[in-house]
Amino acid sequence: DTGVSQDPRHKITKRGQNVTFRCDPISEHNRLYWYRQTLGQGPEFLTYFQNEAQLEKSRLLSDRFSAERPKGSFSTLEIQRTEQGDSAMYLCALPRSSGSAGTGELFFGEGSRLTVL
Amino acid sequence: GESVGLHLPTLSVQEGDNSIINCAYSNSASDYFIWYKQESGKGPQFIIDIRSNMDKRQGQRVTVLLNKTVKHLSLQIAATQPGDSAVYFCAEGVTGANSKLTFGKGITLSVRP
Repeated sequence: DTGVSQDPRHKITKRGQNVTFRCDPISEHNRLYWYRQTLGQGPEFLTYFQNEAQLEKSRLLSDRFSAERPKGSFSTLEIQRTEQGDSAMYLCALPRSSGSAGTGELFFGEGSRLTVL
Repeated sequence: GESVGLHLPTLSVQEGDNSIINCAYSNSASDYFIWYKQESGKGPQFIIDIRSNMDKRQGQRVTVLLNKTVKHLSLQIAATQPGDSAVYFCAEGVTGANSKLTFGKGITLSVRP
């Protein structure tokens, strides 16, 4: 079964503070993805893991962002020295082939919404 | 750069009518496409997908059409219901690109009772 829990669901912080989001798959998945979604836009790829290895990072992921997946299960996304432009929904996603056309479908979590004041 | 886009930002339909949501893509290397539905405060939810070797695929009340000649994708929803009200996104991907999807801008579907 594919499912993912994200925490916290909503985080309000002041500019300059650090925030951390966590993604917990309910079952084992080799790959795990982070996306960012701003209001009215589609999700944008940030990074993905194959087990504990971070294999690709988008240019959107500045040096203030760091993601980890230490045991190849849950993952964290930390943003340091937050800026107002970081306000967005941060989505965790897992690959799933659900009897569809067998494409690279991703199952998304409910997301963690960040508001930077 | 490559992009996926939607023609209209909003679509309002009468309950019971059919809805058609259109999407243009520009990456000729994309070989699969996915439609997602997103309700307020929730993550995107898979609706239907299609590979580039197909031009039509049907699901329950939904049909996806792919026209590779003009790089156009559409989602048809039959007998639109109030529960279909949401933001819809098309996404494209390339097999072997590690399931990394490129999304277009969303279009809001509003169903009038």
